[in-house]
Amino acid sequence: ETGVTQSPTHLIKTRGQQVTLRCSSQSGHNTVSWYQQALGQGPQFIFQYYREEENGRGNFPPRFSGLQFPNYSSELNVNALELDDSALYLCASRSQGFGEKLFFGSGTQLSVL
Amino acid sequence: GQQVMQIPQYQHVQEGEDFTTYCNSSTTLSNIQWYKQRPGGHPVFLIQLVKSGEVKKQKRLTFQFGEAKKNSSLHITATQTTDVGTYFCAGPKRSGGGADGLTFGKGTHLIIQP
Repeated sequence: ETGVTQSPTHLIKTRGQQVTLRCSSQSGHNTVSWYQQALGQGPQFIFQYYREEENGRGNFPPRFSGLQFPNYSSELNVNALELDDSALYLCASRSQGFGEKLFFGSGTQLSVL
Repeated sequence: GQQVMQIPQYQHVQEGEDFTTYCNSSTTLSNIQWYKQRPGGHPVFLIQLVKSGEVKKQKRLTFQFGEAKKNSSLHITATQTTDVGTYFCAGPKRSGGGADGLTFGKGTHLIIQP
């Protein structure tokens, strides 16, 4: 058990809608990152937040956005959902300056119909 | 951009047989990490290798980091049913610091037949 919690666990949306996924970091971790994992693939880096600022981003369009709150919890927002956005969305936390080992949450399975 | 490739994609073994998965990066890595994901689960950190030529052992698991810091391997001796899952290698996109996230390989799916 990593201490990283995500909600909801499953979500069904239709194309064009917007979705917000939530993550609560492990206690003491000040850095959170989000990954998208399509079926049968490895996780793909979306972005990272440190001290409430986005400080790293992968190859994802601007309709993927996020927030980090003072308590280090985080949100991932996806606008104008597309069918290809169907995937497992993983939140991972770590403590900046203490290595790059990631602690993943159980993920949110998003299905876009 | 940086690519991380893993082979094989799938590996079927009989329980008790050994298993090896290989990881190759298109760029030199400051470190490499290995994660295990059980079916229906999330990735769980196994180990991080930092030094050129480093070898680390965890019980039946042996991890190696290549001399050029571009390749790595994971070897499991005498597999057990609890070893079932997908094994991913991952490396930072830049020299370190983590701000650009990790690049994961596609993973090797280990299937064990009793």
